[in-house]
Amino acid sequence: GQQVMQIPQYQHVQEGEDFTTYCNSSTTLSNIQWYKQRPGGHPVFLIQLVKSGEVKKQKRLTFQFGEAKKNSSLHITATQTTDVGTYFCAGGDYKLSFGAGTTVTVRA
Amino acid sequence: DAGVIQSPRHEVTEMGQEVTLRCKPISGHDYLFWYRQTMMRGLELLIYFNNNVPIDDSGMPEDRFSAKMPNASFSTLKIQPSEPRDSAVYFCASSLSPERSEQYFGPGTRLTVT
Repeated sequence: GQQVMQIPQYQHVQEGEDFTTYCNSSTTLSNIQWYKQRPGGHPVFLIQLVKSGEVKKQKRLTFQFGEAKKNSSLHITATQTTDVGTYFCAGGDYKLSFGAGTTVTVRA
Repeated sequence: DAGVIQSPRHEVTEMGQEVTLRCKPISGHDYLFWYRQTMMRGLELLIYFNNNVPIDDSGMPEDRFSAKMPNASFSTLKIQPSEPRDSAVYFCASSLSPERSEQYFGPGTRLTVT
């Protein structure tokens, strides 16, 4: 079946710095979704990308879908303490395959 | 909108006991998903329903696990008998349609089996 891999597993970031987390699939994806889970919370939908090469922005977050629709990235600029949490990518149609997530901690 | 509702939020039980987790999806959503999350295995899809019908239960660990959706507004996940390795956070999620496939997760049930 479809597998989605995420790297890095952990990201320790100095407040104010940028970082990127990556998502790779073994197969072509119809779409890619990103979720954020705060410590002790539940995954919350952030965004969906559908088109090859698509780029979407949400304030300091930039999401990109690869040209081959097999990879995706999430770039966060000027990291803040509110960005702490685990970011998951998920691929598929209505049945999503979730990556293992990138857990982000922020040093003030 | 109340979002996805799960109960109980926490459950502590002894090995061998039956456990029933409950979920109320968002009204109008056609798809309902049950996930299990652990540190070791991450977020695993157990089973999902479309219009109350189980579509794919390949993620259900074994026969001790069963799930039902008797109507559009209620689903249960039952573990009988429970084992310590079942300890995890169980999430229920719902989505509207294949075209609007983003999933809305409930707050989860933290299950501890001693």
